Amino acid sequence: DGGITQSPKYLFRKEGQNVTLSCEQNLNHDAMYWYRQDPGQGLRLIYYSQIVNDFQKGDIAEGYSVSREKKESFPLTVTSAQKNPTAFYLCASSPGQPNTEAFFGQGTRLTVV
Amino acid sequence: AQSVTQLDSQVPVFEEAPVELRCNYSSSVSVYLFWYVQYPNQGLQLLLKYLSGSTLVKGINGFEAEFNKSQTSFHLRKPSVHISDTAEYFCAVSDRPRGGADGLTFGKGTHLIIQP
Repeated sequence: DGGITQSPKYLFRKEGQNVTLSCEQNLNHDAMYWYRQDPGQGLRLIYYSQIVNDFQKGDIAEGYSVSREKKESFPLTVTSAQKNPTAFYLCASSPGQPNTEAFFGQGTRLTVV
Repeated sequence: AQSVTQLDSQVPVFEEAPVELRCNYSSSVSVYLFWYVQYPNQGLQLLLKYLSGSTLVKGINGFEAEFNKSQTSFHLRKPSVHISDTAEYFCAVSDRPRGGADGLTFGKGTHLIIQP
């Protein structure tokens, strides 16, 4: 089945540690995205990538980093510089062509203690 | 700049009753509108989208929405809800017909609660 796989579903980390969230897609989509979701806040764009080896900052990129070495993979690192990292993180991908939409993964819930 | 306002954070409805979830947007350019549904601890699933053409858009699971340019609204409706419709619903606007998620601005969501 084609889709987007985020792992793990739940992640716990100690404050001050970097943590990397995985996102893999087998839809052959060019574009991939990371969103952060907080209760009552909707979704906010962290980073996105339209093509391999290229990515752009979204609205809330501070404290996060990404890489896009392969078309199917777009890992997100939450660094110790992120002041409030506890949140639900959603990865998405899209073909990037007109009249298409983004497809979302199942999310990773990160809790920093 | 574009923005989306979902007027209700929670909407309780009895099973088999009709429901309307309200969404208003603002944008200085052409808009493309979307409704997504999110079940607990899941990702988002597209319910329906308006890109052009007929202002009444039909989506999955019996939902429909009407684009009203003069009122800058895109309200979501269902004539008869089921317990399984309990979820968070997000309205989103994009200024890009390309369909990518980088141009999407999301509302804060409406929690639809179906009561038996």
